[in-house]
Amino acid sequence: DIVMTQSPDSLAVSLGERATINCKSSQSVLYSSNNKNYLAWYQQKPGQPPKLLIYWASTRESGVPDRFRGGVSGTDFTLTISSLQAEDVAVYFCQQYYSIPYTFGQGTKLEIK
Amino acid sequence: EVQLVESGGDLVKPGGSLRLSCAASGFTFSNAWMSWVRQAPGKGLEWVGRIKSKTEGGTIDYAAPVKGRFTISRDDSKNTLYLQMNSLKTEDTAVYYCTVPIMGAPCWGQGTLVTVSS
Repeated sequence: DIVMTQSPDSLAVSLGERATINCKSSQSVLYSSNNKNYLAWYQQKPGQPPKLLIYWASTRESGVPDRFRGGVSGTDFTLTISSLQAEDVAVYFCQQYYSIPYTFGQGTKLEIK
Repeated sequence: EVQLVESGGDLVKPGGSLRLSCAASGFTFSNAWMSWVRQAPGKGLEWVGRIKSKTEGGTIDYAAPVKGRFTISRDDSKNTLYLQMNSLKTEDTAVYYCTVPIMGAPCWGQGTLVTVSS
């Protein structure tokens, strides 16, 4: 199984500042036939289902503000929020959907400092 | 617009059974690989299983904790995905979501709550 390790477990950032969440996969999730990393980022607020932010590691889902950006370097993935807004307080998860069992990071709780 | 609507969640006793449904619309269901994912209260996300399209073999795969107890099936004529859960345990208590990749982007339903308790 591919293990997804997120860091940090929690993060407090001031409004307007940058927030960076990391996710490392234990093996490649790059599909060679289309050169896509099968890695998604989700935002989850209490009582709500996960909301897709980023897929294919760096493609922003329609309607997601451009302050959210996904990056990749090998098996290291990052979700960056360029200027934190109050409504960004949530838990963030990464997920690999390259091979079964599809696996998730443990989540990062983002709060306002 | 892609829509996934789960239903069937309920309170059930340990050892009992339950069948969840996921009604799909807005895409060609028969061509889709469908998955179930669950989230226990206050916990992270756990993939439960996946069923491929019939044209690609209809293969079904399960996560280890549910293998032999849960069965995934699909009715392409009704655009509906199912999850039959037997021999339920307290640790199966969770919100269950159905998901599908659309042009590479995973889409999720709102979920349905299953509570296993005596």
